[in-house]
Amino acid sequence: DSGVTQTPKHLITATGQRVTLRCSPRSGDLSVYWYQQSLDQGLQFLIQYYNGEERAKGNILERFSAQQFPDLHSELNLSSLELGDSALYFCASSVEGQGQTQYFGPGTRLLVL
Amino acid sequence: AQRVTQPEKLLSVFKGAPVELKCNYSYSGSPELFWYVQYSRQRLQLLLRHISRESIKGFTADLNKGETSFHLKKPFAQEEDSAMYYCALSGDGGSQGNLIFGKGTKLSVKP
Repeated sequence: DSGVTQTPKHLITATGQRVTLRCSPRSGDLSVYWYQQSLDQGLQFLIQYYNGEERAKGNILERFSAQQFPDLHSELNLSSLELGDSALYFCASSVEGQGQTQYFGPGTRLLVL
Repeated sequence: AQRVTQPEKLLSVFKGAPVELKCNYSYSGSPELFWYVQYSRQRLQLLLRHISRESIKGFTADLNKGETSFHLKKPFAQEEDSAMYYCALSGDGGSQGNLIFGKGTKLSVKP
């Protein structure tokens, strides 16, 4: 699959724990975006990386952090998890960081109990 | 504040009927508007963007800056059009990479 991949597909954990979500962009895409989708807030932009550097920040909590590695894959770290962090987390990638079509991954469904 | 509003959570039509999915936006600069679609058990994918002026799968959307709208239309709905549709905005004519999404409209096309 040459599209955007995300692992794991599902994640169940407890409050207070820390998890790492992984995203591999499409081959050749330099920019990675993270979005959170919850029932009440809809799809919200969290953070963007372009070629290893943070490009833009959205409504990302301080308990959350991300990074993009030299091979361009990205990880989203969620710590001190709360019940309200339960959501679908999407990664998207684009060739560049501006005005390009974004290609989405299948998402990681996080359930915090 | 930048905002995208899709007033209908659910839109149900019969096959062959015209469809219009509404999208209004709030943005002070020059936005780029998109429609994304998510079919059942599939990932979110781009349907069309206003800058390309394409017609994809019979859908069209016109950016109306006066009414700050970007409604999605199709003259004759098909059952395979049933899906979640999201309107999205990228600020500064697309120079802002991130997308601001509406909450989505679920389109159900009945036979």
